Amino acid sequence: NAGVTQTPKFQVLKTGQSMTLQCAQDMNHNSMYWYRQDPGMGLRLIYYSASEGTTDKGEVPNGYNVSRLNKREFSLRLESAAPSQTSVYFCASSETSGGPWDEQFFGPGTRLTVL
Amino acid sequence: TQLLEQSPQFLSIQEGENLTVYCNSSSVFSSLQWYRQEPGEGPVLLVTVVTGGEVKKLKRLTFQFGDARKDSSLHITAAQPGDTGLYLCAGAKGGSYIPTFGRGTSLIVHP
Repeated sequence: NAGVTQTPKFQVLKTGQSMTLQCAQDMNHNSMYWYRQDPGMGLRLIYYSASEGTTDKGEVPNGYNVSRLNKREFSLRLESAAPSQTSVYFCASSETSGGPWDEQFFGPGTRLTVL
Repeated sequence: TQLLEQSPQFLSIQEGENLTVYCNSSSVFSSLQWYRQEPGEGPVLLVTVVTGGEVKKLKRLTFQFGDARKDSSLHITAAQPGDTGLYLCAGAKGGSYIPTFGRGTSLIVHP
């Protein structure tokens, strides 16, 4: 099992360019998440998907769009990148069994720089 | 306003020392989790606590959930260089399964 995989690992963009961050999980999890991590800010939720076909905004959704392509894949798109979007982006997944909430499994991250 | 406040923000200690990091809130949480993140990697779950007053031990790490379920602590005994990393607490409220993360405590253990 690969767990949660993310591509690319590193990316440099110019202001105004667009790109899509890819995420896939092979654990048959229902829920998937996108976070950004900035120095001293912890993890902030951008968007999440409780199940295939549904997506919801998190704490910091502005400037981003997401697609839950199928149960395995959840992509994050930056339509017009801005320097404020320079960050490390993490994708995560969880089973969401409904109990005391589930462990989130994180990918290795994508380090994005917007010039 | 940060829902979960972690302290200290940074901690630099020598191998063999003990330490405690804290996660505090004015809100009640149905459960709280601690994650450790090593440089260049994603966070990995250490423990989930769900009952007020609960204490869980993981080798040299002891986790406690406050009686009122508003705070938690992580105590490390005889720290080792392998404990170096960012320790994040995350809490979920009510029926939500979406956690809120604190800003983390960055720990460096020097050999």
